Amino acid sequence: ELQLVESGGGLVQPGGSLRLSCAASGFTFSSYAMSWVRQAPGKGLEWVSTISPSAGTTYYADSVKGRFTISRDNSKNTLYLQMSSLRAEDTAIYYCAKQALWGQGTLVTVSS
Amino acid sequence: QLVLTQSPSASASLGASVKLTCTLSSGHSSHAIAWHQQLPEKGPRYLMRLNNDGSHTKGDGIPDRFSGSSSGAERYLTISSLQSEDEADYYCQTWDTGNVVFGGGTKLTVL
Repeated sequence: ELQLVESGGGLVQPGGSLRLSCAASGFTFSSYAMSWVRQAPGKGLEWVSTISPSAGTTYYADSVKGRFTISRDNSKNTLYLQMSSLRAEDTAIYYCAKQALWGQGTLVTVSS
Repeated sequence: QLVLTQSPSASASLGASVKLTCTLSSGHSSHAIAWHQQLPEKGPRYLMRLNNDGSHTKGDGIPDRFSGSSSGAERYLTISSLQSEDEADYYCQTWDTGNVVFGGGTKLTVL
């Protein structure tokens, strides 16, 4: 079964850091670009970052550039998002996604 | 600048059909898009990829009631024989090298 399962969300103080993980199964992980998309409470979907299949190329939304780092371990079928210098406006559900498949999301709350 | 525009809301009666619109910004009318459905309090679900010629490829398990079409810079999602469980937010999405863009979403109410 095709599946993406996120983990690592939680409550963090402003300025803090957090690392999200996304475990993939049911498909050849190393063949696909992978992305993180977030959704703030009551808002729409916002693209965060994308990484190429080989991890050779990464892209970021301007809102997170310089603060977030996307990476992947193809030997572990896992996608990561390292988030630092977190702000209140980063509070959202973070979804892992590939073409035609979404994870269930993990909630990140930035608050003191 | 690549932008997708959607109406914030739409409504239609149970059993009827509804056509949702997603408009590509000027200069981007050849872009393919994807449609996603988000049920209340749930994560998004991929519906289909829709090309500029109107051809579309649906995700696994998506009912035949869901179809897509295109005209110029407009991309449409048509849902026929509306059911109560179709009440959801619908998002369109497109992409360029290094950039992914979502529309603001349309909240569909089934009357």
